[in-house]
Amino acid sequence: GENVEQHPSTLSVQEGDSAVIKCTYSDSASNYFPWYKQELGKGPQLIIDIRSNVGEKKDQRIAVTLNKTAKHFSLHITETQPEDSAVYFCAAHDYGQNFVFGPGTRLSVLP
Amino acid sequence: EAQVTQNPRYLITVTGKKLTVTCSQNMNHEYMSWYRQDPGLGLRQIYYSMNVEVTDKGDVPEGYKVSRKEKRNFPLILESPSPNQTSLYFCASSLSLGQGMNTEAFFGQGTRLTVV
Repeated sequence: GENVEQHPSTLSVQEGDSAVIKCTYSDSASNYFPWYKQELGKGPQLIIDIRSNVGEKKDQRIAVTLNKTAKHFSLHITETQPEDSAVYFCAAHDYGQNFVFGPGTRLSVLP
Repeated sequence: EAQVTQNPRYLITVTGKKLTVTCSQNMNHEYMSWYRQDPGLGLRQIYYSMNVEVTDKGDVPEGYKVSRKEKRNFPLILESPSPNQTSLYFCASSLSLGQGMNTEAFFGQGTRLTVV
């Protein structure tokens, strides 16, 4: 089955700097790669996603890139703000119609 | 408002006392799933369901049961809870577009379970 790895497990950046979180997946049949943000005391919420027929997607300060050949995808957050502090999860959705999540990255944006 | 509702939000129980955590979604989603979240281990899938009366094991199904009698509800049952099931549980639902295509997963607010 699918296996998703995520790095780093923790990340601290200064406010205004960029943050990058990387994930790799194992199943070349996976076709949907969402990113979730989990704030304290809440359930994860989708912030951006990408499908396997697209290489990059942007939404204001966040972007996701996908390299199907290398089987990795990354989340990029520019001009980070304190409210970006949260746990971020990547996920891969395989053809078996199931979501597999990475272990998460705790991002801290320091003022 | 589109949402996934879990109940209860917090639960403390004793070892061996059967309990049920309810999950309901109002988006007519086919796919529903249960996860447990433990420090350093991310979201681990317990069970999932592709549609009514169709359920399957995830990565950590031992000690749990589920049922999917109606499209909107997907309860998680712990027949004989043990302390190692102390965790934060999330229910999620997603619209299945068929052919292996899904849309985003919507998560409930979570249920923090403590088994003593």
